[in-house]
Amino acid sequence: AQKVTQAQTEISVVEKEDVTLDCVYETRDTTYYLFWYKQPPSGELVFLIRRNSFDEQNEISGRYSWNFQKSTSSFNFTITASQVVDSAVYFCALIYNFNKFYFGSGTKLNVKP
Amino acid sequence: KAGVTQTPRYLIKTRGQQVTLSCSPISGHRSVSWYQQTPGQGLQFLFEYFSETQRNKGNFPGRFSGRQFSNSRSEMNVSTLELGDSALYLCASSSDGTGYNEQFFGPGTRLTVL
Repeated sequence: AQKVTQAQTEISVVEKEDVTLDCVYETRDTTYYLFWYKQPPSGELVFLIRRNSFDEQNEISGRYSWNFQKSTSSFNFTITASQVVDSAVYFCALIYNFNKFYFGSGTKLNVKP
Repeated sequence: KAGVTQTPRYLIKTRGQQVTLSCSPISGHRSVSWYQQTPGQGLQFLFEYFSETQRNKGNFPGRFSGRQFSNSRSEMNVSTLELGDSALYLCASSSDGTGYNEQFFGPGTRLTVL
């Protein structure tokens, strides 16, 4: 069965702190994609990153970085020097077999000034 | 390019009624997916349409149905509404049929069932 687990329900940090959001997935498929989405209070999900199962390279984009480890089935997301605007719910998702998405339950990040 | 649009943005219905939600994908996108988001169940996949055909379906009762038109616009219908159907319904479009491209989400339709 496919499954995505985001064990951290809510995290609160003070601005400029680094924060890591965990994502653990489960799938028997060898071909799959992992995604991170951000859902600000406005409600619209915003795409952040996509990673396929054959590419374990880590990625950095500005203050955001992602660590993909197939050995531990994890795809963790780190925000460096967090800002108040980073406050949102972050979802990790697994996609396989033609647009069938499994979303984690989300992690609510509160960044306080 | 205009983003994914959903109408209406807010809707209030009573139990037993039916409702139709509309989604217009990004121009050129042929895949449209629907999701239900509730505080208790999180984001759940409803179904996905590609070129007017339902390609995937989640685990929802038959009261939830959808369709896609030749211009890729999609509608979702919920019949015999129940209180538990109160949720944010999100539509997402994707550019092609490979199944692995990122989805672009609309702002959602907030449905309240009284």
